[in-house]
Amino acid sequence: NAGVMQNPRHLVRRRGQEARLRCSPMKGHSHVYWYRQLPEEGLKFMVYLQKENIIDESGMPKERFSAEFPKEGPSILRIQQVVRGDSAAYFCASSPLGQGVYNEQFFGPGTRLTVL
Amino acid sequence: DAKTTQPPSMDCAEGRAANLPCNHSTISGNEYVYWYRQIHSQGPQYIIHGLKNNETNEMASLIITEDRKSSTLILPHATLRDTAVYYCIVRVDNAGNMLTFGGGTRLMVKP
Repeated sequence: NAGVMQNPRHLVRRRGQEARLRCSPMKGHSHVYWYRQLPEEGLKFMVYLQKENIIDESGMPKERFSAEFPKEGPSILRIQQVVRGDSAAYFCASSPLGQGVYNEQFFGPGTRLTVL
Repeated sequence: DAKTTQPPSMDCAEGRAANLPCNHSTISGNEYVYWYRQIHSQGPQYIIHGLKNNETNEMASLIITEDRKSSTLILPHATLRDTAVYYCIVRVDNAGNMLTFGGGTRLMVKP
């Protein structure tokens, strides 16, 4: 059973460009979470999605950031007009369906975004 | 979610037990204690979780005090590959509840 997959693993963008980060959850998982880790800091929650729905985006910056998890295909975290402060590691996690079920989150290897 | 307090760093000799403490004095009755670790530059890895009973799995043991205000993660025979940042997190065990990572404890296992 393949784990959570993220691509690309490393992404370099110039200021003002767009960054698209992809996350394929584990098979059978329908909950996806995105976290950001700035250099030398802990992970910060950004957004929680289920298929075709954003459930909690309380950690998302108000502008330039968006996320989706379509019915088919991976979850996408999109950053428009990137700035140097967006340079960070972005981690995706997935968990299985079910409220009240033990809800371990499985993390992907992360995408390291560098903004020049 | 309740706030946790962990020492910023600890050392442990290879082959010895590593005991990582965590204080969570404001934990609620329905909040679980979770432990994750992050080996350098990798995604966090689940270790163990518990509510009020002590738990053990192939990776570690979790000891929770009777009043649930603190817990200890025990790695019984630490190896160099256990060098990582260890995060203690308390949260309701409910689908959709995000993980709130604090500063964690940076464990350095030394030969």
